Amino acid sequence: QSALTQPASVSGSPGQSITISCKGTSSDISEFNRVSWYQQRPGKAPKVIIFDVSNRPPGISDRFSGSKSGNTASLTISGLQAEDEAHYYCTSYRDSNTLFGGGTKLTVL
Amino acid sequence: QVELQESGPGLVKPSDTLSLTCTVSGYSISSDNWWGWIRQPPGQEPEWIGYIHYSRRTYYSPSLKSRITMSVDTSKNQFSLNLSSVTAVDTATYYCVKKVSAKSYYEAWGQGILVIVSS
Repeated sequence: QSALTQPASVSGSPGQSITISCKGTSSDISEFNRVSWYQQRPGKAPKVIIFDVSNRPPGISDRFSGSKSGNTASLTISGLQAEDEAHYYCTSYRDSNTLFGGGTKLTVL
Repeated sequence: QVELQESGPGLVKPSDTLSLTCTVSGYSISSDNWWGWIRQPPGQEPEWIGYIHYSRRTYYSPSLKSRITMSVDTSKNQFSLNLSSVTAVDTATYYCVKKVSAKSYYEAWGQGILVIVSS
């Protein structure tokens, strides 16, 4: 069982928006603004797309956005594109450790 | 542009020690960053193993702490992972990563190396 809970899969059509949730506890997501989101395509290493809840690294599309409410963080992808099809993982900080979510498979219909 | 490259055996026998090295290019390992390891079993989510600073400070995963040793070699711009007493559950793709001290995310990853534990 993963430390952070994500839905196993989500899907959407091109142009639509989807949201992926990441549920933690009062000891991680709720306490720290250190939630990150990673995109992983098959056979590739994960790539950070959101850090510190809602910040995008240079070069990441503004179609990706993040937020947090209580012990649940969310990743929203707007204007879905075929290239967004991938696995998405949330992470959070707890006691100097990095926790990973179980991952969500995004399918673009 | 920093690049990280893992190296080591792709097959390790049960009860042996898994040893991996990460070679960093395009960036000095003797900088205020953390250099770490993350693994991902086939078909599963990644798992944080730990990280090390060039000053030799370390943070390890509590679940793996008793079996992990990390080290840095600034002369070779490399850092390493030793994981002892491996079993089949340690089979995974191992990634070396870079984390800037002031930031909470892993901004650079190696391509990963698949390590299989089997006799």
